[in-house]
Amino acid sequence: TQLLEQSPQFLSIQEGENLTVYCNSSSVFSSLQWYRQEPGEGPVLLVTVVTGGEVKKLKRLTFQFGDARKDSSLHITAAQPGDTGLYLCAGQYGNKLVFGAGTILRVKS
Amino acid sequence: SQTIHQWPATLVQPVGSPLSLECTVEGTSNPNLYWYRQAAGRGLQLLFYSVGIGQISSEVPQNLSASRPQDRQFILSSKKLLLSDSGFYLCAWSPAGHGYTFGSGTRLTVV
Repeated sequence: TQLLEQSPQFLSIQEGENLTVYCNSSSVFSSLQWYRQEPGEGPVLLVTVVTGGEVKKLKRLTFQFGDARKDSSLHITAAQPGDTGLYLCAGQYGNKLVFGAGTILRVKS
Repeated sequence: SQTIHQWPATLVQPVGSPLSLECTVEGTSNPNLYWYRQAAGRGLQLLFYSVGIGQISSEVPQNLSASRPQDRQFILSSKKLLLSDSGFYLCAWSPAGHGYTFGSGTRLTVV
C-alpha cells in the first residue's frame, strides 16, 4: 500500500508570512502532483513534478520533488488570504493517484 | 476542450435505499476514470478506477460498486446505503497518468 504523509495538517498564518508544506512517502512515485481545493468543490491541479530534484515555480508557489522521487514540498512566499484552502499532494503509482491527508491553510489578513 | 460532468451535486438518501451517481467526460477518448470519496476537509480515498469499458478495479472493499458502460461514462452504485456511506464523492479523469481533472463532487448524506 502506497502512503503519503502530509504535514502540517493545519496551518494558520498572517498575511505576508512564508510557509512550507511537506509530503513524504516510503514509495517511489512516477510523478507527484499538488492540488488546491475550495470547500464544496473538486480539487484543482496546481502542478505536476516528474523528475527527481525538479523545482517548479508558479507565481509565489515553489514546488520541489525529492531526488529519490519519494517526497515533495510546497513553499508559498508572502501568503495572501486568497491562498486559503486545502492543499493536497498526490503520488502517481501505476494507474492510481494516491492522496495525502491534506493541509488546511488559513491566511488571516 | 475536455469537460467532466458529475451529478447530482447534493443527495440525501435514507439508509437501505439504492444509489446511483453518474459521471461523464466530454472531449476525450479512452480516458482513465476514477471515483474518490473524501471525508470533511481531508484527503481523498480512491474507491474505483477504470482504464476502459467494462474494466473496473476496486481499491477498498465496501458497500459500493462501479460500472463503465460506455467509454466516457462512469457510474457509482449501491444496492443498500449505510450511514457510513455518507461523504463527498468525486469523479476524475486522466489521460493515462498525468494531471487529473475532477468533477464538482456529490455531497451524499445518508439518514
